[in-house]
Amino acid sequence: GESVGLHLPTLSVQEGDNSIINCAYSNSASDYFIWYKQESGKGPQFIIDIRSNMDKRQGQRVTVLLNKTVKHLSLQIAATQPGDSAVYFCAENRSGGYQKVTFGIGTKLQVIP
Amino acid sequence: DGGITQSPKYLFRKEGQNVTLSCEQNLNHDAMYWYRQDPGQGLRLIYYSQIVNDFQKGDIAEGYSVSREKKESFPLTVTSAQKNPTAFYLCASSTGVGTGELFFGEGSRLTVL
Repeated sequence: GESVGLHLPTLSVQEGDNSIINCAYSNSASDYFIWYKQESGKGPQFIIDIRSNMDKRQGQRVTVLLNKTVKHLSLQIAATQPGDSAVYFCAENRSGGYQKVTFGIGTKLQVIP
Repeated sequence: DGGITQSPKYLFRKEGQNVTLSCEQNLNHDAMYWYRQDPGQGLRLIYYSQIVNDFQKGDIAEGYSVSREKKESFPLTVTSAQKNPTAFYLCASSTGVGTGELFFGEGSRLTVL
């Protein structure tokens, strides 16, 4: 089952530095891995995804790395800005029939001005 | 402007009352979902619907009911049988194929008094 808790893991980063948010996933059959950003009081927004047959994908200021050997996913944010402060969720999707998207518990990113 | 609209944004309910949360999308998406989010936790799936007039239970369906009479609409009823209904409820939609990218609404915060 999924581990739950009242306190999100928190990452504090100085403005302008790079951020690395990590995620461990459980299902080796997942086809896609997705990162979402959730600002306070809002719904999550898609950031970037990566297919299971890739190990790296880059977007604008973000890079996702996938290590299937250890079932580990990371999101790197370059030159972190105050607007990046949010909770970041990784999600895994196993397609085929219903798309079962499973979310992790999230990491809170605090950007220090 | 395409998107997902949830209403109401805030809702207060007395114990023993049923409440219905609205979710409408104009993205022409086949699949729709309801998630529950508790403080410091990830998103847990309540119900999902892959197509009109069909829906399936998610991981925490007890105490909830849904309908999917129209493609655009997927209302969620929180019944009096739900033991801990106070939470942030998120509706999402997707094309049902591909990466599994979910498009979320802004959420509805339900508080039971």
